[in-house]
Amino acid sequence: KAGVTQTPRYLIKTRGQQVTLSCSPISGHRSVSWYQQTPGQGLQFLFEYFSETQRNKGNFPGRFSGRQFSNSRSEMNVSTLELGDSALYLCASSPPGLAGGRNNEQFFGPGTRLTVL
Amino acid sequence: AQSVAQPEDQVNVAEGNPLTVKCTYSVSGNPYLFWYVQYPNRGLQFLLKYITGDNLVKGSYGFEAEFNKSQTSFHLKKPSALVSDSALYFCAVRDGNYGQNFVFGPGTRLSVLP
Repeated sequence: KAGVTQTPRYLIKTRGQQVTLSCSPISGHRSVSWYQQTPGQGLQFLFEYFSETQRNKGNFPGRFSGRQFSNSRSEMNVSTLELGDSALYLCASSPPGLAGGRNNEQFFGPGTRLTVL
Repeated sequence: AQSVAQPEDQVNVAEGNPLTVKCTYSVSGNPYLFWYVQYPNRGLQFLLKYITGDNLVKGSYGFEAEFNKSQTSFHLKKPSALVSDSALYFCAVRDGNYGQNFVFGPGTRLSVLP
């Protein structure tokens, strides 16, 4: 079974631009979560989607947005990029069932490393 | 609100010795607890989880963790460390009652010295 895939793997943008990152979950998984990882702040939760609906959102500004499609693939978008947005963005998918299910665990993709110049 | 603490930024241990990576947590409801490992330039890999049942949980690569409700701890252990265990380890918690998002600890860098 293929794992979680994220595209692109590396991205370089300049301040003020926008960026869209893509995540394809493991086949059959319906929940997708996004995280930002930086040396200073560690791993921070961005948002979680289940069946095309945003279930939870972390403490990030409105420049960060996401969506999930009917095939469970997800995208996140960051507009008006700032230097501080440079980070590794990780996507994780969860097995079938409600996102808060008792057996819930997350499978992570390799991440997209975004560099903002 | 949920929170996770990993009191040690770095743990050094000699190969063949037992290792412990500490984690304490805070949640309002029932804790779902997880350990993940991250190798350089890679995503996170699942090691083990505690949802309910036995307090001692066994996971991948010979790791285990002990859930201690009174001390709100979930320390990761391995009886005999390998050099290949050197990586960044994250503890995470999710509130099982409210289905909230995962909260990760700051991570502990484990170095196993030959």
